[in-house]
Amino acid sequence: DVKVTQSSRYLVKRTGEKVFLECVQDMDHENMFWYRQDPGLGLRLIYFSYDVKMKEKGDIPEGYSVSREKKERFSLILESASTNQTSMYLCASSLRGRASNIQYFGAGTRLSVL
Amino acid sequence: GQQLNQSPQSMFIQEGEDVSMNCTSSSIFNTWLWYKQDPGEGPVLLIALYKAGELTSNGRLTAQFGITRKDSFLNISASIPSDVGIYFCAGQISTGNQFYFGTGTSLTVIP
Repeated sequence: DVKVTQSSRYLVKRTGEKVFLECVQDMDHENMFWYRQDPGLGLRLIYFSYDVKMKEKGDIPEGYSVSREKKERFSLILESASTNQTSMYLCASSLRGRASNIQYFGAGTRLSVL
Repeated sequence: GQQLNQSPQSMFIQEGEDVSMNCTSSSIFNTWLWYKQDPGEGPVLLIALYKAGELTSNGRLTAQFGITRKDSFLNISASIPSDVGIYFCAGQISTGNQFYFGTGTSLTVIP
């Protein structure tokens, strides 16, 4: 079974802190994604990566950066956390090509910024 | 990004009832997906649709790819308590491009 693991289920941080959200997948998937989920807005794509050291902006990249140094790991970084970044963050991975239709999600990290 | 309008936003139904929800977009998509998110978990893929008019079932769930390619529908028959969760549609304009997600339908099943 595909496993996408997010390092924390819950995080509480203070405004201005640097925050790292980690995601690891164990199925050798090329593609990895970071979404945020907010009530009434669904899932919105922050950043994605099609390969190691490669990244592309999604629909809402402002205030975020990412790092993909190894194929299995994709990190989301909040350089200076703000209260409007309080949200549920979901990581996903998929194979390349037609099979990229199927994205496998982690359980999510609920981040609160105070 | 693309806007996917999903309705209804929430549903409260009695166990045993059938459920219908839909998703519409302003763009033509070549792939539609339906996901379910259990409370406290990430979304899990239920059904994938690749052709206009396609009708695909997964147990008590049936989804259809709309003829106009701008909409998709999900039906759940004879609902049970474990159907509770949030259902998301997702659409892709062309293979390899990103998926756009709907706003979700929250389903509550009353025993």
